[in-house]
Amino acid sequence: NSKVIQTPRYLVKGQGQKAKMRCIPEKGHPVVFWYQQNKNNEFKFLINFQNQEVLQQIDMTEKRFSAECPSNSPCSLEIQSSEAGDSALYLCASSLGAFNYAEQFFGPGTRLTVL
Amino acid sequence: GDSVTQTEGPVTVSESESLIINCTYSATSIAYPNLFWYVRYPGEGLQLLLKVITAGQKGSSRGFEATYNKETTSFHLQKASVQESDSAVYYCALGMATGGNNKLTFGQGTVLSVIP
Repeated sequence: NSKVIQTPRYLVKGQGQKAKMRCIPEKGHPVVFWYQQNKNNEFKFLINFQNQEVLQQIDMTEKRFSAECPSNSPCSLEIQSSEAGDSALYLCASSLGAFNYAEQFFGPGTRLTVL
Repeated sequence: GDSVTQTEGPVTVSESESLIINCTYSATSIAYPNLFWYVRYPGEGLQLLLKVITAGQKGSSRGFEATYNKETTSFHLQKASVQESDSAVYYCALGMATGGNNKLTFGQGTVLSVIP
């Protein structure tokens, strides 16, 4: 069973508010991913890190979303000004490496509701 | 970009019947992708069911099988005899390590209900 920890499990925010969620990857996993799963079950890759460095992020992430994976602290994903369309399940995953067959282990997710 | 299409659910089968969930993919890179099936059981997180990284090979786990067919760009999930405990949401996914980033592209998921 995966040991990726995500907090909080549920988050409710008003439009324009900041929303911050955290992720502790499996021990020894240097690569962390953030995905968004919307109400239509569609996944969208947001950003990933290897140790503290960003490997890739999508345009959406670059504008209102910010993320970091500081050394010896949980990784975090923050939405600066929440919009209704941000309501989704945010999944954190970790893996042993960025090589193409590395299994990604997923956390339970943070369900964000923007009112 | 890359895309994955799978059987639109929900799919309902009776216990001990056979199951197939179709998955086809489209990859923009000339390199062959790696293919995965993930599953989310009720109340649990997403977990890997099986993976195949070489075209032509078959992966198997918990009685499920999937064969990587590069000619038809398919990776269908099959099981000869389902159990009630197989009721879950199944996701087909594609992974490409382009630029050192092995992000996954998921299908829309297939809800499976097994009737006892």
